[in-house]
Order: sequence, then C-alpha cells, then structure tokens
Amino acid sequence: KAGVTQTPRYLIKTRGQQVTLSCSPISGHRSVSWYQQTPGQGLQFLFEYFSETQRNKGNFPGRFSGRQFSNSRSEMNVSTLELGDSALYLCASSFFPSGSEETQYFGPGTRLLVL
Amino acid sequence: AQSVTQLGSHVSVSEGALVLLRCNYSSSVPPYLFWYVQYPNQGLQLLLKYTSAATLVKGINGFEAEFKKSETSFHLTKPSAHMSDAAEYFCAVTDFTGNQFYFGTGTSLTVIP
Repeated sequence: KAGVTQTPRYLIKTRGQQVTLSCSPISGHRSVSWYQQTPGQGLQFLFEYFSETQRNKGNFPGRFSGRQFSNSRSEMNVSTLELGDSALYLCASSFFPSGSEETQYFGPGTRLLVL
Repeated sequence: AQSVTQLGSHVSVSEGALVLLRCNYSSSVPPYLFWYVQYPNQGLQLLLKYTSAATLVKGINGFEAEFKKSETSFHLTKPSAHMSDAAEYFCAVTDFTGNQFYFGTGTSLTVIP
C-alpha cells in the first residue's frame, strides 16, 4: 500500500509570491491534516480536512488555506509569502479524523524556502 | 486546550545505555498519547500509541512507554540504545473532544559510540 505522498518535495519562492502544495493520502483515508515545522516553533497544526470539509483550523493567518477533493487529495495554499513561511510542511492522513485513537501517517514533507 | 511538554530538547546517551525521553501533558483526563520519531529529512513515523487499553505500551524498535495518570506523564524508554536510534522524538496528544493533535517541541537524541 502506498504511503502518503507530497509534492513537490522542495520549493524555492520569493516574498510576495504564492505557493500550492499537494498531498495524496493513503488509499482509503479520508482525513488529511497539515502541519508546519520550523526550528523555532516546532510542529504546529495548520488545518484538517475530512470528507472535503475543514474540521479544524490552527492559529495561522488567512494567507494559509486549503481544500480537499473528492478523492481525498488535499492542497494547501499560502498567498503573499513571507520569509517566516520558510518551513517543512507535513501532511498526515488517517481513516478517521484526528482526535481519536486513529494513527496519523505522515508524508515526507515539502520543504519551502522563501527568499 | 491540551499542551505537551518534553523535558530536555537534547539528550545524549552512550550506545547500550538506557534511553529515557520525558513527556508530560496538561490535562488530568486520560487522552490518547503518541510518540513519533523523525529521522533527518523525513516525515514522522509512529513509534507507539496509548489508547487506554494498557498503561505500558510497547512499540517498534524496542521502545516502550508507560502512561501514568497521577503524574500526567508518558515517558518513552528503551533498555539499550543503538546508533540507529539517533533522531528527533516527538510526543503528541489528542483528547476526547476530537480537536487538534498537539505536539511537544521534540527531543533530539544523540547516541555516543
């Protein structure tokens, strides 16, 4: 069974640009969560989608948005990029929503560098 | 909201020595608890999880963790460290409300030959 895949793996953008990251969950999983990982802030929850609906949202500005498609694939968009958005963005999938005993399976991440 | 505290951002142990990574959570209500490991340039991999079935949880690679409600702790241990255990370890917690997944700040484990 294929794991969680994230594309692209590496990305370089400049300030003010926007970026879209993609996550394909494990087959059959309907929940996709996104996290931002930085050396200073650690792992921070961005948002979670379950069956195409946003279930939860972390404490991030509106520049961060996402969506989930009917095949459970999810995209995350960041508009008007800032230097502080440089991070590893991790996607995780599970069959049931997070907040249960359900295990989340993580992808390898997309490393975004904003210049 | 839940919070997770990992004491010690960096831990060094000798190869063959006991590994002890500490994790405390904020709520007295037994949550679901997880330990994840992250190797360089990789995503997170589940080591073990507590789901109230047993207080001592055994995971992969010889790791185990004990849930202690009275201490609100879920420390990770391994009797004998191996060089391949060098990685970043994250404790995480959810709660029964079904809200967010909360991570600790991580502990970097170094194994000295």
